[in-house]
Amino acid sequence: QSALTQPPSASGSPGQSVTISCTGTSSDVGGYKYVSWYQQHPGKAPKLMIYEASQRPSGVPDRFSGSKSGNTASLTVSGLQAEDEAEYYCSSYAGSNNVLFGGGTKLTVL
Amino acid sequence: QVQLVESGGGLVKPGGSLRLSCAGSGFSFSGYYMNWIRQAPGKGLEWVSYISSSGSTTHYADSVKGRFTISRDNARNSLYLQMNSLRAEDTAVYYCARVVTTVNNVDYWGQGTLVTVSS
Repeated sequence: QSALTQPPSASGSPGQSVTISCTGTSSDVGGYKYVSWYQQHPGKAPKLMIYEASQRPSGVPDRFSGSKSGNTASLTVSGLQAEDEAEYYCSSYAGSNNVLFGGGTKLTVL
Repeated sequence: QVQLVESGGGLVKPGGSLRLSCAGSGFSFSGYYMNWIRQAPGKGLEWVSYISSSGSTTHYADSVKGRFTISRDNARNSLYLQMNSLRAEDTAVYYCARVVTTVNNVDYWGQGTLVTVSS
């Protein structure tokens, strides 16, 4: 199984919105609602931002939202803030207890 | 509060072995599936293995199957990863992580332990 496809970089100015895509196949992203998004700052462990494609854990700002259509999931960060600058990874259940991650997207706040 | 603390990383020669440990606290360890997830230097995340709450079910990424063994001791609130026949490509920070709902959904991560495979 191949990794999920994410753009290597994304950027936006403070206050703007940015959307990061995560493309898989019908065997993973398209086949299940179980897509998660993680934020990782340099030198830190990842942090769960979205689960089940669009659910936000408690404590995650509502500026972060997720969606899924077909084989592509998306993470949208609205009202960009400086602290949102980080690497973002998507992850999908891929059946038979397998897990796939995307290659990561570096979000830069201009 | 939930804490996961990994240990056991270090430098090992190709073909060697290493055992990682992860101590959990602040939650009912025996009630959760657990994952090992790794990250090669400057690279993305790669799921390695998971284990059910009782330890009766395990699953591995193809890249480590037959070489790595995940286990747990719920009495000690501990998770383990026995790594044998190590290769240079196994060099990574290894995270233990608590699973919620589905195996790809992790709500707490440790800080990681670095494994370096080099001669």
